[in-house]
Amino acid sequence: GENVEQHPSTLSVQEGDSAVIKCTYSDSASNYFPWYKQELGKRPQLIIDIRSNVGEKKDQRIAVTLNKTAKHFSLHITETQPEDSAVYFCAARLPGAQKLVFGQGTRLTINP
Amino acid sequence: EAQVTQNPRYLITVTGKKLTVTCSQNMNHEYMSWYRQDPGLGLRQIYYSMNVEVTDKGDVPEGYKVSRKEKRNFPLILESPSPNQTSLYFCASSLEGSGGSPQHFGDGTRLSIL
Repeated sequence: GENVEQHPSTLSVQEGDSAVIKCTYSDSASNYFPWYKQELGKRPQLIIDIRSNVGEKKDQRIAVTLNKTAKHFSLHITETQPEDSAVYFCAARLPGAQKLVFGQGTRLTINP
Repeated sequence: EAQVTQNPRYLITVTGKKLTVTCSQNMNHEYMSWYRQDPGLGLRQIYYSMNVEVTDKGDVPEGYKVSRKEKRNFPLILESPSPNQTSLYFCASSLEGSGGSPQHFGDGTRLSIL
């Protein structure tokens, strides 16, 4: 089955700097890669997703890149703000599979 | 408002006392799923349902049961809870299970089994 590894487990950056979180997946057939943000005590919420026929997707300060050859995808947050502090989860889904496989999560802290 | 509603939000109970966590969605989604979240392990799928009367095991189904008698409801049942089931539980739904559609999560249920 699919396996997703996420790094780093914790990340601390200065406000205004960029943050990058990376995930690798094991099954090259995976074709859907969402990212979720979970604030303290809250539910995970989808922030951006990408499908395997696209190499990059942007939404304001957030971008996701996908390298199918290397089987990894990354979340990029630019001009970080205190409200970006949260736990971020990546996930991958195989076509026809009925589940998302999640990474272990990255706790991002933005220092003022 | 489109939402996934879980109840209860918090529960402290004792080993062996059967409990049910309810989950309801108002988006007419076909796919529903239960996850547990434990520190350092991320979100792990317990059970999922592709539609009414169609359920299947996820990665960590032991000790849990589910049912899907109606499209909107997907309760999680712990017949004989044990301390290792102390965790934060999330229910999620999406329009369809395959092909990749965003999952909408409930607010979570924190269970403590003493």
